[in-house]
Amino acid sequence: ETGVTQTPRHLVMGMTNKKSLKCEQHLGHNAMYWYKQSAKKPLELMFVYSLEERVENNSVPSRFSPECPNSSHLFLHLHTLQPEDSALYLCASSSLSRWDSPLHFGNGTRLTVT
Amino acid sequence: DAKTTQPNSMESNEEEPVHLPCNHSTISGTDYIHWYRQLPSQGPEYVIHGLTSNVNNRMASLAIAEDRKSSTLILHRATLRDAAVYYCILRDSDAGGTSYGKLTFGQGTILTVHP
Repeated sequence: ETGVTQTPRHLVMGMTNKKSLKCEQHLGHNAMYWYKQSAKKPLELMFVYSLEERVENNSVPSRFSPECPNSSHLFLHLHTLQPEDSALYLCASSSLSRWDSPLHFGNGTRLTVT
Repeated sequence: DAKTTQPNSMESNEEEPVHLPCNHSTISGTDYIHWYRQLPSQGPEYVIHGLTSNVNNRMASLAIAEDRKSSTLILHRATLRDAAVYYCILRDSDAGGTSYGKLTFGQGTILTVHP
């Protein structure tokens, strides 16, 4: 148990579908992150939320839409995805009280786009 | 972000020490050295971090070279559960005033532990 829970663990969707990934943390953290891990590639930072405000968007296509309704929850809304978007999507959280607070990761959602 | 270089893979035997090297020749004075690991089918987990002095915690030890251009993560007695990808990451403590933890991951070192 990592303290960061991601659902679903696995998701298969067609290119015309709309789905959402959910992330939840009860660690009292106030920064949350979405990372993408494709096969044979390093983890890529997608979005960062600090105090529920998006502070980084690393050139992510608009077919990925994040939402952070409160400090405990983070969503990634998906629509009209491409097969190359198939990957492991990881959520993480950290505390802003110390700059070197470690990131706590969930176990990810394995997304397959058909 | 300053770059780190790690071997693609290493092997060890169970209950033996493991030394995982990391080169970071372009490290700046404000960069901390962080280590994370990713077990199969899991997200990364924090292992240890340091600036200049060697560090120990319940998981591992971190030995930092005097010139800070390299570091070594030490697992004192490897177990089968230590088989994972180990990432060495430089994290800037002076990242433009931001306090959130932006981590840039490389390919890491795949550690295989033999029984």
